[in-house]
Amino acid sequence: NAGVTQTPKFQVLKTGQSMTLQCAQDMNHEYMSWYRQDPGMGLRLIHYSVGAGITDQGEVPNGYNVSRSTTEDFPLRLLSAAPSQTSVYFCASSSRQGGNQPQHFGDGTRLSIL
Amino acid sequence: AQSVAQPEDQVNVAEGNPLTVKCTYSVSGNPYLFWYVQYPNRGLQFLLKYITGDNLVKGSYGFEAEFNKSQTSFHLKKPSALVSDSALYFCAVRGGGYQKVTFGTGTKLQVIP
Repeated sequence: NAGVTQTPKFQVLKTGQSMTLQCAQDMNHEYMSWYRQDPGMGLRLIHYSVGAGITDQGEVPNGYNVSRSTTEDFPLRLLSAAPSQTSVYFCASSSRQGGNQPQHFGDGTRLSIL
Repeated sequence: AQSVAQPEDQVNVAEGNPLTVKCTYSVSGNPYLFWYVQYPNRGLQFLLKYITGDNLVKGSYGFEAEFNKSQTSFHLKKPSALVSDSALYFCAVRGGGYQKVTFGTGTKLQVIP
């Protein structure tokens, strides 16, 4: 059982480039989310989805785009990379069940913007 | 708006001693509270949760947490620390229903041999 898989693990981009961070889960979880982790700031929610076709903004959505065409996949798109988006990005999923279920996390994508 | 505070950036404890990592929260309605642990270069791993019922919750690796509604706290505890417990610990809260999860800023636990 793979759980939550994120690709790539590492990426270096130049300012202005675009890219997509991939996230896939094999647990049939309805709820998926993207976080960024920065030193001293914990995890901040970027976007989340409560099911296929449904997405919503989190705490820091600017500069990021998401879509959820299937239950399994929840890609995060950087539209025009900026140095402020240098961070570690985590994808997480959980089952619906009224929101009392823990999240399962991928191992992250470490992104550097030059 | 909901929030979580972890007042200590780092906690140092000697191996074999009891440890406490503090967490306070603010949320409307009844909270769902979680503790996660993160090892270097890894994602967060679930340790334990409080949904309802007993105020003392037991979780993985010998950890437990005490829910205190009047103090809006959910401190993580372990009776005897191990060097292998050294990691980054996150407290998280979710309001009732299917709302967003809010994480604290994390506490680095250092267990000294």
